[in-house]
Amino acid sequence: AQRVTQPEKLLSVFKGAPVELKCNYSYSGSPELFWYVQYSRQRLQLLLRHISRESIKGFTADLNKGETSFHLKKPFAQEEDSAMYYCALGFTGGGNKLTFGTGTQLKVEL
Amino acid sequence: GAGVSQSPSNKVTEKGKDVELRCDPISGHTALYWYRQSLGQGLEFLIYFQGNSAPDKSGLPSDRFSAERTGGSVSTLTIQRTQQEDSAVYLCASSLEQGSGKLFFGSGTQLSVL
Repeated sequence: AQRVTQPEKLLSVFKGAPVELKCNYSYSGSPELFWYVQYSRQRLQLLLRHISRESIKGFTADLNKGETSFHLKKPFAQEEDSAMYYCALGFTGGGNKLTFGTGTQLKVEL
Repeated sequence: GAGVSQSPSNKVTEKGKDVELRCDPISGHTALYWYRQSLGQGLEFLIYFQGNSAPDKSGLPSDRFSAERTGGSVSTLTIQRTQQEDSAVYLCASSLEQGSGKLFFGSGTQLSVL
């Protein structure tokens, strides 16, 4: 069975401080990992995916198969980063059927 | 249409009544998904339609829940004999590229069962 764990419900940081949103997964096969974000009063949207190895809005995430983790990081938090972040797990051949974590609310304080 | 459209945006119903939630996916998207978002529960997968294939219903919590997708486009999620624990935001998403992980979500239907 697939499982995604986001241990923090709420993460509060000051503007300019580094951010790390934790995500751990459980899956016996070859995983595909994603981060989704939901800004206030906006729709849930894809932020980034591990296979692209990209940086979006200054965020990066590295898949660590040894630790089964896919933590989301940003070196300097901005006020506009305040949002709900969901880690999601897919699998090869699964179409885009994703298993989501419970989400972490990021609050960036001035 | 610019994106996935869901209606109604809010639905209040009495326990025991049936409700229907509608989703219009982005034109041309072959895959359609229903998720449920409850407080503290994250997004719970309900059902997945891909083209003309049989839907993946593995996430439906009980036989009170069912969904249809007519003509490969619009989908309706039906909850019969609603219970208070069915109260949640029901999200619909569609996607085009298989395996990309890129889902386009609607704004959701907030269902409240009194």
